[in-house]
Amino acid sequence: DIVMTQTPLSSPVTLGQPASISCRSSQSLVHSDGNTYLSWLQQRPGQPPRLLIYKISNRFSGVPDRFSGGGTGTDFTLKFSRVEAEDVGLYYCMQATQFPYTFGQGTKLEVK
Amino acid sequence: QLQLQESGPGLVKPSETLSLTCTVSGGSISISGYSWGWIRQPPGKGLEWIGTIFYSGNTYYNPSLESRVTISVDTSKNQFSLKLNSVTAADTAVYYCARRPWVLGGHDQWGQGTLVTVSS
Repeated sequence: DIVMTQTPLSSPVTLGQPASISCRSSQSLVHSDGNTYLSWLQQRPGQPPRLLIYKISNRFSGVPDRFSGGGTGTDFTLKFSRVEAEDVGLYYCMQATQFPYTFGQGTKLEVK
Repeated sequence: QLQLQESGPGLVKPSETLSLTCTVSGGSISISGYSWGWIRQPPGKGLEWIGTIFYSGNTYYNPSLESRVTISVDTSKNQFSLKLNSVTAADTAVYYCARRPWVLGGHDQWGQGTLVTVSS
């Protein structure tokens, strides 16, 4: 199985400031079709996960442009240009390149 | 607007079978280009992929659950289902159903989730 490791697991941030979360995979996520199926999900308290970013850097419909994704191969990053109060919650990276699909442990974004 | 809704018992006894259904509305489950999956989240813990079914009927399961899980689809009802046998307290979780468009690679639509507690 591909192991997804997120850092940090907890990120106290100041509103209006930038932030970032890292995700590392135990092997390359490049699929044989040339795509890299790495996505980022947001989970607000009491809510189901919500797709933010797909294929490393593509923002899903309706996702604010303060969220951005990047990386290649085995190292990926979710960036917030400036954190807003509604961004508080859990963030997960997920790989769907190879079965079984696997998630990172989750990073808790909280306000200082 | 596509919507997914999980349904099923909220309480299951140990050693029995957990059965959940995901009803899809606002779109067809039987068109190509999508897969449909189940993901679970134990209370206070992270997400775990359970399995996926493609429109063709092909299924893929998490090896950690494969001996106990079955995912099936009923196109006439626009539903897909999860069965998990021989449950224990470790199977207590919120169970989500979700859609994955092939072109996105990520799960773009999720149900609200349903809490299933395994207890006698």
